Amino acid sequence: QKEVEQDPGPLSVPEGAIVSLNCTYSNSAFQYFMWYRQYSRKGPELLMYTYSSGNKEDGRFTAQVDKSSKYISLFIRDSQPSDSATYLCAMSVGNNYQLIWGAGTKLIIKP
Amino acid sequence: DGGITQSPKYLFRKEGQNVTLSCEQNLNHDAMYWYRQDPGQGLRLIYYSQIVNDFQKGDIAEGYSVSREKKESFPLTVTSAQKNPTAFYLCASSGGLAQDEQFFGPGTRLTVL
Repeated sequence: QKEVEQDPGPLSVPEGAIVSLNCTYSNSAFQYFMWYRQYSRKGPELLMYTYSSGNKEDGRFTAQVDKSSKYISLFIRDSQPSDSATYLCAMSVGNNYQLIWGAGTKLIIKP
Repeated sequence: DGGITQSPKYLFRKEGQNVTLSCEQNLNHDAMYWYRQDPGQGLRLIYYSQIVNDFQKGDIAEGYSVSREKKESFPLTVTSAQKNPTAFYLCASSGGLAQDEQFFGPGTRLTVL
């Protein structure tokens, strides 16, 4: 079993829909949780960074961490075709510089 | 502008040749990383360095080598010992208060002919 599980998709939704992307993990020691967006043939860019449990909002994006369920989510409101990309989750226990990565979910927003 | 640069963007190699991928950062970050990404897969860590003149193997270090002679630079050599080197290679760095927050370069796509 992988430490971090993420459905590879593709997930295809119509423009304007609310998108929910998820990762589950097995290591209860993870404290730092990140979501990266990667466009085709580009490097990933950091979207959201959260510590421990709770929600964090930034514009149309909301990151949610549920440590009791070992489950993290990224919600995208009013999705746009420009949101079409692969979304990678990553997490760490902190203090050792290594991130553990999900495989990424490919998201397609249809105009 | 602060950031990470990787060169070249595309690289072609014949079997049996060593090639070196460049990674430079001007973010004043202490830590730097090399990842490999294959189609439909997540990132796999090749090597990482937390400080100049020191580096550690990641999950898939076999067939690769690195050096960290300067804080700004972390080149990756793909040797002929790497059996399946065709992939997308990503360099990242981290530092400051959020040590786990990694910033990525644009990547180098290596193709073995």
